[in-house]
Amino acid sequence: NAGVMQNPRHLVRRRGQEARLRCSPMKGHSHVYWYRQLPEEGLKFMVYLQKENIIDESGMPKERFSAEFPKEGPSILRIQQVVRGDSAAYFCASSSGTSGSPLRSYNEQFFGPGTRLTVL
Amino acid sequence: AQSVTQLDSQVPVFEEAPVELRCNYSSSVSVYLFWYVQYPNQGLQLLLKYLSGSTLVKGINGFEAEFNKSQTSFHLRKPSVHISDTAEYFCAVIRHNFNKFYFGSGTKLNVKP
Repeated sequence: NAGVMQNPRHLVRRRGQEARLRCSPMKGHSHVYWYRQLPEEGLKFMVYLQKENIIDESGMPKERFSAEFPKEGPSILRIQQVVRGDSAAYFCASSSGTSGSPLRSYNEQFFGPGTRLTVL
Repeated sequence: AQSVTQLDSQVPVFEEAPVELRCNYSSSVSVYLFWYVQYPNQGLQLLLKYLSGSTLVKGINGFEAEFNKSQTSFHLRKPSVHISDTAEYFCAVIRHNFNKFYFGSGTKLNVKP
């Protein structure tokens, strides 16, 4: 069973260009999460999606960033008009649903290898 | 809100010595606790997790962690480290019934021969 796949692994863009990052979840998983890791920092939650729905986007910057998870195909994180401060590693995680008792449940998340975005 | 503090940004240690990586969290609600390892230019690999039950949790590669509710800590330990343990380690929490992780800033473990 293949793990979470992300492509490209490395992406270089010039300021003002668009960046598209793709995430294919594990087989059977319908939940996707995006995290950003700035240099020398931990991962920060960006957005949580289920098929065709954004569930929680509380960590997404208000402008230039968008995410989708269509019925068919990978999840896409799109960054328009990139700036140098967008340079980071972007990780995707996927899960199948909740585990544990109904009252105390969490979605076990499996992480992909990340996409390292460099903005020149 | 949740927050995770890893006080040590870097921990140098000699091979075969014991090591402890510290993690403290703050949360007004119950959380699950995790440790992840990240090797250079790779993704995150789960080392261990605490969901409930015994407060001493054993994980992969000989690591273990102890959940201390009164001190809101979840320190990671290994009695004898190997060169191959050189990596960055992240502590993380997730609220019950919620879906997003809160990560600490990471501790770089550097094992020297």
